[in-house]
Amino acid sequence: DVKVTQSSRYLVKRTGEKVFLECVQDMDHENMFWYRQDPGLGLRLIYFSYDVKMKEKGDIPEGYSVSREKKERFSLILESASTNQTSMYLCASSLGRGSPQYFGPGTRLLVL
Amino acid sequence: QKEVEQDPGPLSVPEGAIVSLNCTYSNSAFQYFMWYRQYSRKGPELLMYTYSSGNKEDGRFTAQVDKSSKYISLFIRDSQPSDSATYLCAGRNFNKFYFGSGTKLNVKP
Repeated sequence: DVKVTQSSRYLVKRTGEKVFLECVQDMDHENMFWYRQDPGLGLRLIYFSYDVKMKEKGDIPEGYSVSREKKERFSLILESASTNQTSMYLCASSLGRGSPQYFGPGTRLLVL
Repeated sequence: QKEVEQDPGPLSVPEGAIVSLNCTYSNSAFQYFMWYRQYSRKGPELLMYTYSSGNKEDGRFTAQVDKSSKYISLFIRDSQPSDSATYLCAGRNFNKFYFGSGTKLNVKP
């Protein structure tokens, strides 16, 4: 079974803090993704990576950065957290062409 | 226009009913289609994955793709209260995935 794990299920941070969200997959997938999910807005792609040290901006990259130093690990960084970044953050991974995405359990982030 | 459109529901059915969930999409380059089930406060779980047009069955679930009309469906037979969740459809074009906003399903005992 594909396993995608996220470092925290719930996180509470203060405005201005630097926040790290980590994602690890154990299936040697090339592609990894970060989404945020908000009521009424659905899933929105923040960043994705199709190889180690490679990254591509998604639809809403502002206020976020990512790091992929190892194939199995993809980190999302909120440089200076703001209240409008309160959301459910979902990590996903997939093999190359022709493979579906597999999601992690999500991190519910609350920024006060 | 969103790449994938999905009625948000909620859809409420009695236990044992056949459920039909539907999506339309606009990008004719989509080749792969997925259905995910998401329980409240959890990550989406892959239910079905299909390539191109046709039907795919897995237990009580059947996924159907009609590329000519850009229409994808998920049928759930003998629905159970444990099927109550939000169902997301998605299409894939190369390395990008496009999701519907999800349909909330409630199966009443």
